[in-house]
Amino acid sequence: DQQVKQNSPSLSVQEGRISILNCDYTNSMFDYFLWYKKYPAEGPTFLISISSIKDKNEDGRFTVFLNKSAKHLSLHIVPSQPGDSAVYFCAASGYYGQNFVFGPGTRLSVLP
Amino acid sequence: EAQVTQNPRYLITVTGKKLTVTCSQNMNHEYMSWYRQDPGLGLRQIYYSMNVEVTDKGDVPEGYKVSRKEKRNFPLILESPSPNQTSLYFCASSGRGVNTEAFFGQGTRLTVV
Repeated sequence: DQQVKQNSPSLSVQEGRISILNCDYTNSMFDYFLWYKKYPAEGPTFLISISSIKDKNEDGRFTVFLNKSAKHLSLHIVPSQPGDSAVYFCAASGYYGQNFVFGPGTRLSVLP
Repeated sequence: EAQVTQNPRYLITVTGKKLTVTCSQNMNHEYMSWYRQDPGLGLRQIYYSMNVEVTDKGDVPEGYKVSRKEKRNFPLILESPSPNQTSLYFCASSGRGVNTEAFFGQGTRLTVV
């Protein structure tokens, strides 16, 4: 059973609008959450993270929200740009952040 | 430049022919791991290593071996590859401490015929 779920395999958004990618997890021991971005023929690259002591972390156009009681996090991209088109993976880990569990990914397409 | 390097990037092989995918990192990271990426399943961990000579199974270890003789290298060995090991493989490393992220290599696309 997947411990980290991304229920939307794909998402299309118009350029300039907001993209919202969702992630749910089942393991209450997860303490640290990350988003990775992956372009074709490249390895995943780290985008943004949040620890369980926070409910929001912001980095430029990217904001991650964490709702621990619902075991849910989301990534907001505002405004979306065509270069944001990629597969986004949600990941979770315990306190020492070394053994990561990944979700299946969501393919984001930002349309010009 | 900090990086994780995998080789080869692409490999086509036949069933049963032993192969090794190399992974090297230049960040002095203690922790290294191997993942495979399959459609709809995301990244699943094969093996990981907490430090030199310390390795352990991940979620899908069957058919794979690893070794960690040096801190920088973490090769993935398929002793007798089978078609169900056709996949995209990623090596990753991360440092000691809390709330650290993993750095990934560029991937190895393996096809077993």
